Amino acid sequence: ETGVTQSPTHLIKTRGQQVTLRCSSQSGHNTVSWYQQALGQGPQFIFQYYREEENGRGNFPPRFSGLQFPNYSSELNVNALELDDSALYLCASSVTSGGRGETQYFGPGTRLLVL
Amino acid sequence: AQSVTQPDIHITVSEGASLELRCNYSYGATPYLFWYVQSPGQGLQLLLKYFSGDTLVQGIKGFEAEFKRSQSSFNLRKPSVHWSDAAEYFCAVGSNYQLIWGAGTKLIIKP
Repeated sequence: ETGVTQSPTHLIKTRGQQVTLRCSSQSGHNTVSWYQQALGQGPQFIFQYYREEENGRGNFPPRFSGLQFPNYSSELNVNALELDDSALYLCASSVTSGGRGETQYFGPGTRLLVL
Repeated sequence: AQSVTQPDIHITVSEGASLELRCNYSYGATPYLFWYVQSPGQGLQLLLKYFSGDTLVQGIKGFEAEFKRSQSSFNLRKPSVHWSDAAEYFCAVGSNYQLIWGAGTKLIIKP
């Protein structure tokens, strides 16, 4: 069974640029959630995708957007990067069945540095 | 407001000693409850979870946690820690889709 994978592992961007992060969900999982983890803090929920639609969103501005594809993989896009966007971005996959979500399993993360 | 508090930023214990990491939460209803562990530069690994039923939950690596509704707590315990347990531990609570996380407790093991 393949776990959650994320790419790239590390990324350096400059302020104002755009970035796309990718996530492949664990086999059999139909839901992907994205989190931002700043240094020394717990993760913050960005949003979740289920059936290719956004299924909940945390307190992040619209310049954070996402996609989910028919194979359940997902992308996180961040436009107009700011210095505070520097963080570890975590993707988690899970199964949603009958409207109920289950345990989230995490990938290794993408570390983004904005200069 | 929904929140998770892990009151201890760092905890240092001797190898072989017992461990308890505290987690208190504020939530509208009984949430799902989780403990995850994160090694430096790594993602999050699930240790254990509570959805319903028996309030004492067994997890991997010899960890257990007890849900106490009256205290809104979900403390993590291990009877004897190993040097490999050194990591950061996160408590999370949530609903179907959104997990709310504590700030983490860094566990340091003394030889």
